[in-house]
Amino acid sequence: QKEVEQNSGPLSVPEGAIASLNCTYSDRGSQSFFWYRQYSGKSPELIMFIYSNGDKEDGRFTAQLNKASQYVSLLIRDSQPSDSATYLCAVNMRNNNDMRFGAGTRLTVKP
Amino acid sequence: NAGVMQNPRHLVRRRGQEARLRCSPMKGHSHVYWYRQLPEEGLKFMVYLQKENIIDESGMPKERFSAEFPKEGPSILRIQQVVRGDSAAYFCASSPRPGSSYNEQFFGPGTRLTVL
Repeated sequence: QKEVEQNSGPLSVPEGAIASLNCTYSDRGSQSFFWYRQYSGKSPELIMFIYSNGDKEDGRFTAQLNKASQYVSLLIRDSQPSDSATYLCAVNMRNNNDMRFGAGTRLTVKP
Repeated sequence: NAGVMQNPRHLVRRRGQEARLRCSPMKGHSHVYWYRQLPEEGLKFMVYLQKENIIDESGMPKERFSAEFPKEGPSILRIQQVVRGDSAAYFCASSPRPGSSYNEQFFGPGTRLTVL
């Protein structure tokens, strides 16, 4: 089992819709979770992080964490074409600064 | 405050040559991570270093690859006797000092290595 798993996509949504990106992780002791966005040919940039069960909202982005199910998701409301990118889920293993990344989900927002 | 710096941005080597990739973390960051990304694939963890120490090198190939983070100067990822399969983007990331509440990593622009 991979440490961090994501659907590779591509995920295609129309402009203005909600995009839902999902991630599962294997280490039940993981404490912190991150979403990065990576445009083609560019480096990953941090969008959000979450530590506690529940929802965390930041503008059009909402991160959701369910530690019992070992599941973390990212919702993007009012999707824009500029949101088209690969979204990487990252999990900090046992809170020791050692992070593992999922393979990423490619999102396309169509005008 | 300058971000994570990497150089060179692009590096071309012939098979059998050595490649040296440099990374300067953000100011105040003492943790450095190296990742490799093949085209259309995710980030693969290679190594995690603090100043003068390798903390986790579980993702490093056993041969030809080495990394260091000296007391002074940038972190270096060294690939000896490169082969075509080493062609990839190599990203460096840094994170804050131990004890910080936040363990997020900030990425440099990457070095694109091409092996001819």
